[in-house]
Amino acid sequence: EVVLTQSPGTLSLSPGETATLSCRASQSVGSDYLAWYQQKPGQAPRLLIYATSKRATGIPDRFSGSGSGTDFTLTISRVESGDLAVFYCQQCSSAQVTFGQGTKLEIK
Amino acid sequence: QVQLVQSGAGMKEPGSSVKVSCKSSGGAFNNYFINWVRQAPGQGLEWMGGILPVHGIIKDAQNFGGRVSISTDESTGTVYMELHSLRPEDTAVYYCARDVRQFTFASGFVQWGQGTLVTVSS
Repeated sequence: EVVLTQSPGTLSLSPGETATLSCRASQSVGSDYLAWYQQKPGQAPRLLIYATSKRATGIPDRFSGSGSGTDFTLTISRVESGDLAVFYCQQCSSAQVTFGQGTKLEIK
Repeated sequence: QVQLVQSGAGMKEPGSSVKVSCKSSGGAFNNYFINWVRQAPGQGLEWMGGILPVHGIIKDAQNFGGRVSISTDESTGTVYMELHSLRPEDTAVYYCARDVRQFTFASGFVQWGQGTLVTVSS
C-alpha cells in the first residue's frame, strides 16, 4: 500500500498569503493518479485537482497542483477566508486508493 | 449535472450488515467508476472499493478483508455497498463518489453523494 504523508498538519495564514501544501508518497505515483480535495466542515469533499495539475470544473485558478514521482504540491494563491478547510491528497496504485491524513488550513 | 443521492442514516448492531444505496440522476452513470469512501468521526478519508456499472468491474480495498460487497442495478442507476460483520469502529459517514473520467479508475472523485451516517452500537 502506498502511504501518503501530508505536511504541515496545520497551516495558519492571513488572507492574501500563499499556501503551500505537501504530499509525499512512500512509492512513486503515476501523475495521472494524484488528486487533491478540499473538505469544509460538515460537507463532502470537493475535487480540486486531478492528474496532478488539472483543475476540476469550476475550480478557480488560485488553486494549482504540481509534482511528480513521490513529491506533490498543492498551492493556493491569495488565500481567502472561505478557503478554511482540510485538504487531502489521494493516489491510486495497483488498483488500491489511499488518502493522506490531511492538512488543516486556518485563516488568521 | 450528475447528482448522487444516498439512502438515509441508520443504526446497526455489532455483527450485522448494512447496505447503503447511491442513486444517480441527471447524467451518464454506467461509464464511470462509482467508488465508496468512508470517514469516521473526526478522522480522514478511507477508500472502500469501486465499481464500473457498464462492465461490472469491481475494485476492492484490501484493508476490509472481504467484508465489503459492491453491486449495481443499471436499470435504476443505483450502486449499492454492503458492509458485513459490523464493528463499533465501522461507525462513520459513508460516501459514494463518481470518477472524473469515463472508464478510468480513481483519477479523481468529482461528484459525491451527500453521505450516509452509519452508527454501530449495541
